[in-house]
Amino acid sequence: AQTVTQSQPEMSVQEAETVTLSCTYDTSENNYYLFWYKQPPSRQMILVIRQEAYKQQNATENRFSVNFQKAAKSFSLKISDSQLGDTAMYFCAFMKHYGRTGNQFYFGTGTSLTVIP
Amino acid sequence: SQTIHQWPATLVQPVGSPLSLECTVEGTSNPNLYWYRQAAGRGLQLLFYSVGIGQISSEVPQNLSASRPQDRQFILSSKKLLLSDSGFYLCAWSIRGSRIKTEAFFGQGTRLTVV
Repeated sequence: AQTVTQSQPEMSVQEAETVTLSCTYDTSENNYYLFWYKQPPSRQMILVIRQEAYKQQNATENRFSVNFQKAAKSFSLKISDSQLGDTAMYFCAFMKHYGRTGNQFYFGTGTSLTVIP
Repeated sequence: SQTIHQWPATLVQPVGSPLSLECTVEGTSNPNLYWYRQAAGRGLQLLFYSVGIGQISSEVPQNLSASRPQDRQFILSSKKLLLSDSGFYLCAWSIRGSRIKTEAFFGQGTRLTVV
């Protein structure tokens, strides 16, 4: 079974500063996908960034980037130039593609990020 | 474009009453469908997932059941609610078999309070 661990229940960062959220996972699979989702106070889940395990290059999306360490099974999210709108719960997720049986997603317990003005 | 609808947004039900939450997806066919429950400090717990009509897999044995009567309809039910069923329920879908567009797309959730 796959497990996803987020060891930081809460974090805060000053506006315009950089913050890194940690995520580790446990799997015996070699091909999989990793995601960071954002859940603002509206509770709508929004995809922030995605990483394919077979790609060595770290994914980036504007101010968001990841540090993917496959051997260490680590997948951290870096938010640069933090903005007030980044205040949200952030979930790390693991997905294994099971062919005809579809995709299964496993989520961590989340990190509540507060951006302080 | 694809959209997902989940309702109701909020629900207050007495203990022992039945439950029916509905989720529909538009703009795609043969989606994988999921029900998650979000409890404080526990993240998203996968309850059920489905790869096709009538095909339901349960991840956690509990007081809930799921059904998929149509390709793009996913229903979460209970015959008798317990206090412990309170929480935030999320429906999600993903494209089956895709290795490109691999993410899960979520509905807006249902806040269920059992009193």
